[in-house]
Amino acid sequence: DTAVSQTPKYLVTQMGNDKSIKCEQNLGHDTMYWYKQDSKKFLKIMFSYNNKELIINETVPNRFSPKSPDKAHLNLHINSLELGDSAVYFCASSPGQGIGFFGPGTRLTVL
Amino acid sequence: EDKVVQSPLSLVVHEGDTVTLNCSYEVTNFRSLLWYKQEKKAPTFLFMLTSSGIEKKSGRLSSILDKKELFSILNITATQTGDSAIYLCAVEALNVNDYKLSFGAGTTVTVRA
Repeated sequence: DTAVSQTPKYLVTQMGNDKSIKCEQNLGHDTMYWYKQDSKKFLKIMFSYNNKELIINETVPNRFSPKSPDKAHLNLHINSLELGDSAVYFCASSPGQGIGFFGPGTRLTVL
Repeated sequence: EDKVVQSPLSLVVHEGDTVTLNCSYEVTNFRSLLWYKQEKKAPTFLFMLTSSGIEKKSGRLSSILDKKELFSILNITATQTGDSAIYLCAVEALNVNDYKLSFGAGTTVTVRA
């Protein structure tokens, strides 16, 4: 069974569109994250949720909105997509300190 | 299925010691191997390795890749308490229509004064 899953794996869309990426973990972890990996391979944290509550909200445009309907899910919604949003987005979950498991990533391409 | 295995899972050393972390992998269409240092928030990018046998260095940290034996090591010399962190290894695979980054579970390094 996949520990952390993301859908879709690939997302190609036009500028200005709104899209969502879903993340689910079946590990019973309390904390979930969204990261953005840019073209230089840097991983930047975007959001962190603990038990459905927002813990970390780094400097991210407010076009990005995380939604956690329950402890096992943390979805990422992006409004008015821009070219610079093209990247790979990783969801991760952790039982506590540090990072436990990463999802497979979602490659977003904005045309 | 792609695999990235790091060892050891954790270790405790004293300041001044040298640490060697291992990362072995099995992936299809290997592109690069990445090392990150995870402290409190987000992983910090350390190295990207694409060629065998070429050591990359940054201060007291160095890393090398062996594409024949499918592993990489990360060395930290003269360790300091600030080196305490989780070190993540990730392997990038790239095909024509496929991109994948697979992470190992990490090695937790604790450096005691």
